[in-house]
Amino acid sequence: KQEVTQIPAALSVPEGENLVLNCSFTDSAIYNLQWFRQDPGKGLTSLLLIQSSQREQTSGRLNASLDKSSGRSTLYIAASQPGDSATYLCAVRQTGGFKTIFGAGTRLFVKA
Amino acid sequence: EAGVTQSPTHLIKTRGQQATLRCSPISGHTSVYWYQQALGLGLQFLLWYDEGEERNRGNFPPRFSGRQFPNYSSELNVNALELEDSALYLCASSLGTGGRDQPQHFGDGTRLSIL
Repeated sequence: KQEVTQIPAALSVPEGENLVLNCSFTDSAIYNLQWFRQDPGKGLTSLLLIQSSQREQTSGRLNASLDKSSGRSTLYIAASQPGDSATYLCAVRQTGGFKTIFGAGTRLFVKA
Repeated sequence: EAGVTQSPTHLIKTRGQQATLRCSPISGHTSVYWYQQALGLGLQFLLWYDEGEERNRGNFPPRFSGRQFPNYSSELNVNALELEDSALYLCASSLGTGGRDQPQHFGDGTRLSIL
């Protein structure tokens, strides 16, 4: 059974700091891994999607990496801003049955 | 381009009633997914529809059901509502080809409260 774990559960950093969020999964049979952000009471905003054959994806200040063999992904946020404060979720799309399994998320607070 | 839209925004029901939630995907998307986000339980996969067919469902009882219409919009029906069904229900859509290698885009959800 696929399990997705995100560490840390919560993180508070000062504005301008670079930070890394971690996501691990137990079954490497995945099609892709997607990172989202969720603001309180809102839906999810897609940030980056990495296909299983890729190693990383970049969008602006965000960079996501994927090491499928070790079951790990990281989301790197450069020069954090208060507007980055949100919950960040990672999700893997399994090859068997194509279900999407989410981690519990990392709550990020960036202090001005 | 309009995003995924869900209605209603909020829905209040009592135990034993039935609820219907609606989702309109992004234009051109043929896959629709439903998720439940209950307090303290995280996002749980409910249902996946593609080209009008149910492709997979999560570990939820049969009273959770749905359908996808010819225009690719979708309904989620929850019968015999229980208190623990209170949650944010999120709909997502993606492009076709089975949708498995495409990013999912989410709506803002329907907040279902059971009294």
